[in-house]
Amino acid sequence: TQLLEQSPQFLSIQEGENLTVYCNSSSVFSSLQWYRQEPGEGPVLLVTVVTGGEVKKLKRLTFQFGDARKDSSLHITAAQPGDTGLYLCAYSGGMVNTGNQFYFGTGTSLTVIP
Amino acid sequence: NAGVMQNPRHLVRRRGQEARLRCSPMKGHSHVYWYRQLPEEGLKFMVYLQKENIIDESGMPKERFSAEFPKEGPSILRIQQVVRGDSAAYFCASSSLVGSTEAFFGQGTRLTVV
Repeated sequence: TQLLEQSPQFLSIQEGENLTVYCNSSSVFSSLQWYRQEPGEGPVLLVTVVTGGEVKKLKRLTFQFGDARKDSSLHITAAQPGDTGLYLCAYSGGMVNTGNQFYFGTGTSLTVIP
Repeated sequence: NAGVMQNPRHLVRRRGQEARLRCSPMKGHSHVYWYRQLPEEGLKFMVYLQKENIIDESGMPKERFSAEFPKEGPSILRIQQVVRGDSAAYFCASSSLVGSTEAFFGQGTRLTVV
């Protein structure tokens, strides 16, 4: 069962455009994480959101955690070719005593065309 | 500090052979996680290990797959009698603390079964 659904699955935009990608679920999470994965590489953590309604900014990237902690969004302003990659949201399925294995969403593959 | 090191980066096996994938966690990390990723998909959790112990193998196929993290040396993901469906990228991640919200990923091993 896929708990995290991401949309859109694929997105191709011109350099300089803005975009938003979504991570949705019917479940409530204590936190969500966003990763970016470039072709041929492992995922790299971008941000962890913890509080309902929380907004975090990382340069041109803005992350928001839904008030009910069931969903999250990532907005990129003035996209650059370097933003190209697979954007993954994830939650930690581990309990305090059993580690922090992560469960990932389906991913959004972003291509920014120069 | 060296990051999570995986080798080999690329591995080609014929059907029926064995594949051994190695993962050296970041220095000071004692928790290792293995994930599998099919093309254009998110990562699927396979197994969580601490030194000499398997903590959670709920994502691991019951047959042909095994994992270990010995007291000395890297973690090993072993796939016996590989089939074409095993072709995927296999990623290892490590963390330092139970309940830590951050795990660091290696660059992955791309297994191709011919």
